[in-house]
Amino acid sequence: DSGVTQTPKHLITATGQRVTLRCSPRSGDLSVYWYQQSLDQGLQFLIQYYNGEERAKGNILERFSAQQFPDLHSELNLSSLELGDSALYFCASSAGGGGKLETQYFGPGTRLLVL
Amino acid sequence: GESVGLHLPTLSVQEGDNSIINCAYSNSASDYFIWYKQESGKGPQFIIDIRSNMDKRQGQRVTVLLNKTVKHLSLQIAATQPGDSAVYFCAENMMDSSYKLIFGSGTRLLVRP
Repeated sequence: DSGVTQTPKHLITATGQRVTLRCSPRSGDLSVYWYQQSLDQGLQFLIQYYNGEERAKGNILERFSAQQFPDLHSELNLSSLELGDSALYFCASSAGGGGKLETQYFGPGTRLLVL
Repeated sequence: GESVGLHLPTLSVQEGDNSIINCAYSNSASDYFIWYKQESGKGPQFIIDIRSNMDKRQGQRVTVLLNKTVKHLSLQIAATQPGDSAVYFCAENMMDSSYKLIFGSGTRLLVRP
């Protein structure tokens, strides 16, 4: 158990809908990262938040957004869902994020299925 | 763009043998590397890391080797066990204006009883 929690574990929805994925980092960690894992793309970095502020952006679609709250939990919002958004979404956390190299610890993931 | 890749998509080994999983990286600016293990239905699990000022680092039954000259990373698992069956990812962490892990495509390790 990495200490990172994610809810829900599974999510089934329809195209055009909007969903919210939630992540709680390890106790004391300030950074949260979101990744998408699909069969044909592997693990793709989406976005990082550090202490409530966006720190880095990866291949995140405009239909997707995230935020980190004062208690450091994070939410990933996916809107206007398409079939191709079906994937595993992982959250990871690390202690800092201020430019230092740190290990990221991953949560169990949310499996999203868009029908 | 620059990326991390793996030579072998699937590796099958006999239980008790040693396993070697290879990874090539292309970003010479990367100075931190991590190996993750992902079992079916679970998130990536940290195994071992190495910084670019090191050539070798050992953990419990695992060793990571870094060859900066040829930009090659390997994970050695000693006395491979059935529980080692999983997909293994190498990831490079590049320090620049942004901070993110770039993952390789993964190698599936199958342990034969």
